[in-house]
Amino acid sequence: GQQLNQSPQSMFIQEGEDVSMNCTSSSIFNTWLWYKQDPGEGPVLLIALYKAGELTSNGRLTAQFGITRKDSFLNISASIPSDVGIYFCAGQRNSGGSNYKLTFGKGTLLTVNP
Amino acid sequence: NAGVTQTPKFRVLKTGQSMTLLCAQDMNHEYMYWYRQDPGMGLRLIHYSVGEGTTAKGEVPDGYNVSRLKKQNFLLGLESAAPSQTSVYFCASIPRATGYNEQFFGPGTRLTVL
Repeated sequence: GQQLNQSPQSMFIQEGEDVSMNCTSSSIFNTWLWYKQDPGEGPVLLIALYKAGELTSNGRLTAQFGITRKDSFLNISASIPSDVGIYFCAGQRNSGGSNYKLTFGKGTLLTVNP
Repeated sequence: NAGVTQTPKFRVLKTGQSMTLLCAQDMNHEYMYWYRQDPGMGLRLIHYSVGEGTTAKGEVPDGYNVSRLKKQNFLLGLESAAPSQTSVYFCASIPRATGYNEQFFGPGTRLTVL
């Protein structure tokens, strides 16, 4: 199946620092999504990207859809303790039978030290 | 509007026992999905449904069956549970696969098979 390589696997940072994580793929995706999962909860959508080159912000979060359509990154500025959680990227290809499915990265575990 | 709900939240089974996980959504969504989440593996698609009465296999369907008799409900069954099925199970739904597939997730069911 398709693979998304998400990095880093984990990050341990100090409150106030900026964070960057990314996903890469060997296949083209037409949609990139970024989710956050708090402990014991389901993933919650943070940002959705639909066009190559698109740069979208949601508060302190900024995500970009790579020009090649094979990558995306998520930045978090001025991190705070509530940013702790697992961040997932997900991609969707619009072709044939895969039109309805997302492929998820393995996640980046973020820990913020107050 | 409760969104996506899952029943039960926790369950412990013995090897060979059967059970059904229920996912319900009150958003009139067409598409529904079952994922399993294992440490370091991200989210993997088990089965999905693109409408009432239809189901399809995902990435890891073996050992599971599903049914979508009503639009609002998507059932995941384990006929003979195995320890390898110990996992956290998430249900998700989207209104319709138009390219804007922002999946809404339930809170998860934590299943342990002894």
